Amino acid sequence: ETGVTQSPTHLIKTRGQQVTLRCSSQSGHNTVSWYQQALGQGPQFIFQYYREEENGRGNFPPRFSGLQFPNYSSELNVNALELDDSALYLCASSLDGLSYGYTFGSGTRLTVV
Amino acid sequence: AQSVTQLDSHVSVSEGTPVLLRCNYSSSYSPSLFWYVQHPNKGLQLLLKYTSAATLVKGINGFEAEFKKSETSFHLTKPSAHMSDAAEYFCVVSGTGFQKLVFGTGTRLLVSP
Repeated sequence: ETGVTQSPTHLIKTRGQQVTLRCSSQSGHNTVSWYQQALGQGPQFIFQYYREEENGRGNFPPRFSGLQFPNYSSELNVNALELDDSALYLCASSLDGLSYGYTFGSGTRLTVV
Repeated sequence: AQSVTQLDSHVSVSEGTPVLLRCNYSSSYSPSLFWYVQHPNKGLQLLLKYTSAATLVKGINGFEAEFKKSETSFHLTKPSAHMSDAAEYFCVVSGTGFQKLVFGTGTRLLVSP
């Protein structure tokens, strides 16, 4: 049973650019959630995808968008990057969105300069 | 809305002494509660979960937590700290509907020899 894998592990982008982060969910999981963890803070919920449909969104602007593919892997896209977007982005997968079944990846560290 | 408050931003203990990390929750219904641990530059690992079964929950690595509805608390304890326990700990409550996770601000546990 494979866990949740995220890529890349680190990247540096310039303000105004666009970025795509990727997540492969754990085998058997059909739900993917994305979280943003700023330095020294707890993770904040961005959005969740269940069977390729977004079924929940946190307090993030529309320039944060996502996709879930038929194999339940997922992408997080951020347009018009701002300095405050610098954070660790965590992906978590679960079966049917059950809160007690989430498995987290190790995250992607995004630095915006 | 669901929320958690972690009462200490930092806790320092000596190796071999007990650990207590405090968490209070707010929820309009019977919540699911969790403790996650995050080691430096790592993702989140689930320590234990409460989902309305036994109020004393045992987790991995000797940690346990007790759900106290009357006090709206879910404190994390361990009888004897180990150097490898040094990490950031997050108390988490699940939200409504699609059950997003709502994180506290974290408690950094420092363990000295």
